[in-house]
Amino acid sequence: GAGVSQTPSNKVTEKGKYVELRCDPISGHTALYWYRQSLGQGPEFLIYFQGTGAADDSGLPNDRFFAVRPEGSVSTLKIQRTERGDSAVYLCASSPTGADSGANVLTFGAGSRLTVL
Amino acid sequence: AQSVTQLDSHVSVSEGTPVLLRCNYSSSYSPSLFWYVQHPNKGLQLLLKYTSAATLVKGINGFEAEFKKSETSFHLTKPSAHMSDAAEYFCVVSPRGAGSYQLTFGKGTKLSVIP
Repeated sequence: GAGVSQTPSNKVTEKGKYVELRCDPISGHTALYWYRQSLGQGPEFLIYFQGTGAADDSGLPNDRFFAVRPEGSVSTLKIQRTERGDSAVYLCASSPTGADSGANVLTFGAGSRLTVL
Repeated sequence: AQSVTQLDSHVSVSEGTPVLLRCNYSSSYSPSLFWYVQHPNKGLQLLLKYTSAATLVKGINGFEAEFKKSETSFHLTKPSAHMSDAAEYFCVVSPRGAGSYQLTFGKGTKLSVIP
């Protein structure tokens, strides 16, 4: 597609429920990223995919968070047993490659706003 | 390790006056630096980037930023603010090469433009 598409744009759920957030990156981009933006903060790195594999998942806060990218294109961020502290905007981004000797420019989607009641 | 400090959480300017958004960074290597803008309900949009070329970087919509290594600063400026510039601005630092996917964002500066 022309840009990075994220669905849903808004998700309200109850504490303890399971949530999936979807990201459709720019066609041909091999690198895909998830970031989380809490209220009043800048985005924080969660996970980076190069192709189908998670090259770095060091930003995932705990084992309730998991992400997949089975065919190297669309990615799903999965959150189990949601907590109120998980409320944030989850941003997805993609880039042509994951590493660049110059500057690796990420293109971001509009985000999925998650509210856990 | 890397970090970014945006010195003002909120800046308010009158339309037609200059804009200055301040950013200081800390990095143990020669970094790449970026400014992104975020309009409500829109994705983050890249304004400009610094790699290792000219220290004065020109971006979109008349914005520019100057990399000052001695001051570890990367302030964003624009000569004349427009109403459409009202948004949140993020200063970002990353390594180059293999670790360049690890962007570290500042907390953001909200720019208000008064008619």
